[in-house]
Amino acid sequence: QLQLQESGPGLVKPSETLSLTCTVSGGSISSSSYFWGWIRQPPGKGLEWIGSIYYSGSTYYNPSLKSRIAISVDTSKNQFSLKLSSVTAADTAVYYCARHSGCSGGSCSLYNWFDPWGQGTLVTVSS
Amino acid sequence: SYELTQPPSMSVSPGQTAVITCSGDKLGDKYTCWYQQKPGQSPVLVIYQDTKRPSGIPERFSGSNSGNTATLTISGTQAMDEADYYCQAWDSSTPCVVFGGGTKLTVL
Repeated sequence: QLQLQESGPGLVKPSETLSLTCTVSGGSISSSSYFWGWIRQPPGKGLEWIGSIYYSGSTYYNPSLKSRIAISVDTSKNQFSLKLSSVTAADTAVYYCARHSGCSGGSCSLYNWFDPWGQGTLVTVSS
Repeated sequence: SYELTQPPSMSVSPGQTAVITCSGDKLGDKYTCWYQQKPGQSPVLVIYQDTKRPSGIPERFSGSNSGNTATLTISGTQAMDEADYYCQAWDSSTPCVVFGGGTKLTVL
């Protein structure tokens, strides 16, 4: 059974860089059939897609965050990571990682979805 | 940028049918999926590719998509179905994943 687990600091100072890692178990991140994605949810609010990555390194980023994000993959560790720079209080959220289906061969089709999701990790931006 | 609109909340009586809508420009030309999120839990996929149910999702969950509106229908709603529901689509013009704002379903 595929499982994803987010890890990283729960507290980040304003203007600094948020760094999170997602560890995939029960399956290979190098599968040609999937991308791997990050999604966040501010407290009490809805879901926001951050970006997704293929094992080869191809990425899709949310245009509204593109200037501040970098997603990378480490196939040797079966992990992918998120870096979000210049954070503010507005970046406080639960951050989820998830397998991004319907995306393969380096691109996403019209039909894609996230399943399964990690348990999420709360990151608070505060001094 | 492409937007998906959901009603913020709705309520349904146990045993009745809940219909949650998700609206977007020519949404029927795209594919929609739906997630259920209970308090303190991660989202769970309940419908993908407009109408398909993942294994383990009860048959009372169904989906459709036509015109400008996708719908998630829960037949014979149970107390355990009380949750937030989010629709999601892919905007190929950007390209970008888009989520609806979510609908809080109350079963009372």
